[in-house]
Amino acid sequence: EFELTQSPDTLSLSPGERATLSCRASQSLSSSYIAWYRQKPGQAPRLLVYGASHRAPGIPDRFSGSGSGADFTLTISSLEPEDFAVYYCQQYGSSPTWTFGQGTKVEIK
Amino acid sequence: QVQLQQWGAGLLKPSETLSLTCTVHGAALSDYYWSWIRQSPGKGLEWIGEVNHGGSTNYNPSLENRVTISVDRSKNQFSLKLRSVTAADTAVYFCARNVIYYFYMDVWGKGTTVTVSS
Repeated sequence: EFELTQSPDTLSLSPGERATLSCRASQSLSSSYIAWYRQKPGQAPRLLVYGASHRAPGIPDRFSGSGSGADFTLTISSLEPEDFAVYYCQQYGSSPTWTFGQGTKVEIK
Repeated sequence: QVQLQQWGAGLLKPSETLSLTCTVHGAALSDYYWSWIRQSPGKGLEWIGEVNHGGSTNYNPSLENRVTISVDRSKNQFSLKLRSVTAADTAVYFCARNVIYYFYMDVWGKGTTVTVSS
């Protein structure tokens, strides 16, 4: 079964700091198949990045995605108050067809 | 603007069937797959399955023997049925639109809380 492992589980940072979130796949995959989401409490996930590095419409440029093969990264260049939330990476293709990582919580230090 | 409006029963007893429906506003069912995803309390996201406008489906193998996802083109809706529920099926259930080529889910419903309790 395909797995995505996110690290760290929790990231404690202050507003204005840079956040670097990692997503590692259990096997190599096309970067077209990787997306990132932010989920605030009580809300549905919101798409941030697709195709590993393409920002979704309306997403500010402080969010950037990178990576290839089995290692992918979401970077938030300067944390805003609304960025303290849980972030998920997601892949398409291997069984099960869609898989999410376990999430990284970005909390206020 | 595309919106997904979801509804269904929020409280079930063990062994009953969970039934949820998602109506698509502002887009046609064609050209996309449509997914159901759930999130158990305090846990991450689990994909349940997907359907396209023609009724073709893909399911998570872990749930495949209990799940049916169907589409009603006349109402621009798709639905989830999960049979023989247990407390482990207690979760928030989301519907979402799948974009294919680059593969991602760009529109989500607000979520429906389903609790299974005797």
